Amino acid sequence: AQKVTQAQTEISVVEKEDVTLDCVYETRDTTYYLFWYKQPPSGELVFLIRRNSFDEQNEISGRYSWNFQKSTSSFNFTITASQVVDSAVYFCALSEGAKTGANSKLTFGKGITLSVRP
Amino acid sequence: DTAVSQTPKYLVTQMGNDKSIKCEQNLGHDTMYWYKQDSKKFLKIMFSYNNKELIINETVPNRFSPKSPDKAHLNLHINSLELGDSAVYFCASSLAGADTQYFGPGTRLTVL
Repeated sequence: AQKVTQAQTEISVVEKEDVTLDCVYETRDTTYYLFWYKQPPSGELVFLIRRNSFDEQNEISGRYSWNFQKSTSSFNFTITASQVVDSAVYFCALSEGAKTGANSKLTFGKGITLSVRP
Repeated sequence: DTAVSQTPKYLVTQMGNDKSIKCEQNLGHDTMYWYKQDSKKFLKIMFSYNNKELIINETVPNRFSPKSPDKAHLNLHINSLELGDSAVYFCASSLAGADTQYFGPGTRLTVL
């Protein structure tokens, strides 16, 4: 069975600090996909990134970067120079590799509430 | 243009009532989902449909019945509402199962 653990529950930082959100996953599949979603106070779920299990390259998008390490089953997310608008709940999620069928569901971690103070 | 839309956004009702939530996507996706987010923000899959066919039914009480009239729509009907059904319900869609899922804005259901 697949599982996602986000051990941090709440993080509070001051604007311009860097912050890393941790995500550890468990799966028996060799093909799987990892995701991060952002849920701002307005409540919608915003897709941030999708990474497949065969691509361990780190990814950078503006102030956001992701570090995928299969050896430690981790997919961590770093926000550089945080801003107040980054305040949200961040979810890590896992989907196993089938294109259809039961494995296509997203299994979410419990989410990390990030508060960025001015 | 809204990609995944849900109606209504808010739903307040009494215990024992029956209610429906509608979802539509205009992304041309084949797979649609319902997720439930509880008061602690935990998100859990309820159902998925692929091209109108039920794929996932994740131990949801049979008071919940999804219906997909076509691949762009996935509605959720709930009978005999209970207090514990209060939650935010999210619809999502993806091109295929393992592709990125795009979520609707959510429907906050409150059962009194």
